[in-house]
Amino acid sequence: EIVLTQSPGTLSLSPGERATLSCRASQSVSSGYLAWYQQKPGQAPRLLIYAASSRAADIPDRFSGSESGADFTLTISRLEPEDFAVYYCQQYDSSPWTFGQGTKVEIK
Amino acid sequence: QVQLVESGGGVVQPGRSLRLSCAASGFTFNTYAMNWVRQAPGKGLEWVAVISYDGSNKFYSDSVKGRFTISRDNSNDTLHLQTSSLRPEDTAVYYCARSELAGWSARSGPRMLRGGKAFDHWGQGTLVTVSS
Repeated sequence: EIVLTQSPGTLSLSPGERATLSCRASQSVSSGYLAWYQQKPGQAPRLLIYAASSRAADIPDRFSGSESGADFTLTISRLEPEDFAVYYCQQYDSSPWTFGQGTKVEIK
Repeated sequence: QVQLVESGGGVVQPGRSLRLSCAASGFTFNTYAMNWVRQAPGKGLEWVAVISYDGSNKFYSDSVKGRFTISRDNSNDTLHLQTSSLRPEDTAVYYCARSELAGWSARSGPRMLRGGKAFDHWGQGTLVTVSS
């Protein structure tokens, strides 16, 4: 089973700042099989990024995904008030499909 | 638009059973694989089970294998999860989610579509509480 480790656990930032979230896999994950989700309290997860860098439908372009070796990154270029939430990465390269433990982006 | 609506959650004693359902609309249900994903209170996401578009193939996480059964009724656009021998650690919000599979291997199980949209639509979830 592939273990995904997200860092940091919590990111304290102000609106307008840039957020950089990391996701590292315990085994090789092809870039075609890495997704990012946003989850707000009491809501279901929402797909933001798939295939490491493709934005899902209706996702603003301030959200972007990238890959560097074994590390995957979600970047929010300028935080809007509605972006404060928990973010999960997921690999779907190898079953069982697994999620990272999440990064909480909170208002500083 | 795509809609997934779960139902069937509740409070159940350890060792008992519960059947969850997910009603789908807004897309051609019988062309997509469907999944169950759960989230324990205050915890992260855990994928539980997947079923192929036609119901012929199923795959489970080790944590529920032998206790849970995923099924679908394509004539009614509904997904089910029959849970049995429930344990307190099964307490969670259970979500259904849609995905696209590239295929199924007898050796390694389901394969997602390369570059595919992972779990692109989710229901709002149904809470299962296992407690005496």
